[in-house]
Amino acid sequence: GENVEQHPSTLSVQEGDSAVIKCTYSDSASNYFPWYKQELGKRPQLIIDIRSNVGEKKDQRIAVTLNKTAKHFSLHITETQPEDSAVYFCAASRGYGGSQGNLIFGKGTKLSVKP
Amino acid sequence: SQTIHQWPATLVQPVGSPLSLECTVEGTSNPNLYWYRQAAGRGLQLLFYSVGIGQISSEVPQNLSASRPQDRQFILSSKKLLLSDSGFYLCAWSAYAGGEKLFFGSGTQLSVL
Repeated sequence: GENVEQHPSTLSVQEGDSAVIKCTYSDSASNYFPWYKQELGKRPQLIIDIRSNVGEKKDQRIAVTLNKTAKHFSLHITETQPEDSAVYFCAASRGYGGSQGNLIFGKGTKLSVKP
Repeated sequence: SQTIHQWPATLVQPVGSPLSLECTVEGTSNPNLYWYRQAAGRGLQLLFYSVGIGQISSEVPQNLSASRPQDRQFILSSKKLLLSDSGFYLCAWSAYAGGEKLFFGSGTQLSVL
């Protein structure tokens, strides 16, 4: 089955700097890669996602890149702000019904943005 | 628009007591439903998922069970709680037809003492 590895487990940056979180996946059939942000005590919320037919996607200060050959994808946050502090989870799935469509999550990255 | 409700928000239970957590989804039909557990500072562990009424798949053998008595209702249960059952429990839904985007409920913080 799919296995998703996420690095680093913790990341501390100064406000205004960029942050990069990387994930690798094992199942070459995976074609859907979302990123979730979870603030302390809150629910995870989808912030951006990408499909395997796209190499990069941007939404304001957030971007995700995908390298299908290497089976890795990354989250990039530019001009970080204190409110970006949270735990970020990557995930992968084959993107269709049944158990193979279930998202497999990485273990999370705790991002701290220091003012 | 779709909404997901999960309750209670917090729960403190003694070891050996039963558990029932409930989740309902509004604004959609025939959703896929999920229960996840998150231990403190850890990742998201998929416990159960359901693609329809009465259809439950278990990802991890454990002290818990799940049921789906109605299309948009998902229940997590235990007959006897263990200390190791403590954690943050999250219900989630996705659209049935090719829906990958997962939407989470607000979670239940369960402490077993």
